[in-house]
Amino acid sequence: LAKTTQPISMDSYEGQEVNITCSHNNIATNDYITWYQQFPSQGPRFIIQGYKTKVTNEVASLFIPADRKSSTLSLPRVSLSDTAVYYCLVANTGGGNKLTFGTGTQLKVEL
Amino acid sequence: GAVVSQHPSWVICKSGTSVKIECRSLDFQATTMFWYRQFPKQSLMLMATSNEGSKATYEQGVEKDKFLINHASLTLSTLTVTSAHPEDSSFYICSAPRRSSWDYEQFFGPGTRLTVL
Repeated sequence: LAKTTQPISMDSYEGQEVNITCSHNNIATNDYITWYQQFPSQGPRFIIQGYKTKVTNEVASLFIPADRKSSTLSLPRVSLSDTAVYYCLVANTGGGNKLTFGTGTQLKVEL
Repeated sequence: GAVVSQHPSWVICKSGTSVKIECRSLDFQATTMFWYRQFPKQSLMLMATSNEGSKATYEQGVEKDKFLINHASLTLSTLTVTSAHPEDSSFYICSAPRRSSWDYEQFFGPGTRLTVL
């Protein structure tokens, strides 16, 4: 399983755009990149997933360069409720394949 | 979207007793489910893979006789913490993969807070 490296923590203010970068130098050809959000005492929640280039949904964008050795989760105009831990995972997401969580990034959003 | 539930959401027990935690996929079938443990301020640690109709696969360092896993149906996996001790106090989370339009998506349960006195 590819190992991921993320910043331990980030601080931001409401209304700002937040970009969290994850490095995964040994990503395999069949691996997808997935980001999860976790609030205290809750299970992780899927945010976005991608394989290459750019993916956008209603809550975030995911930027993946051509070499796929890193990825950036972009959260537009964060609010206080976006304060959470964000995990970047890299795995072949076949139904029977397990996920390995790294340390995650604690995002703190202030007024 | 798909929902995975866990029961109970929290449990307090005395040292030496056994505790069963249920994980259910409410609107889809899951031949595989995963169990994680999370200590305060730490990341999720995969404990085992639960396989419907067969034995669970445990991660290195996880005692299979202490953490009994039963995947009796396509929508239910149970984790039993046997002879629980205070060091087993943790947040236990399950997940189940469901086929999505692009691949598989893992859906996580809300977690179960276990406190062993």
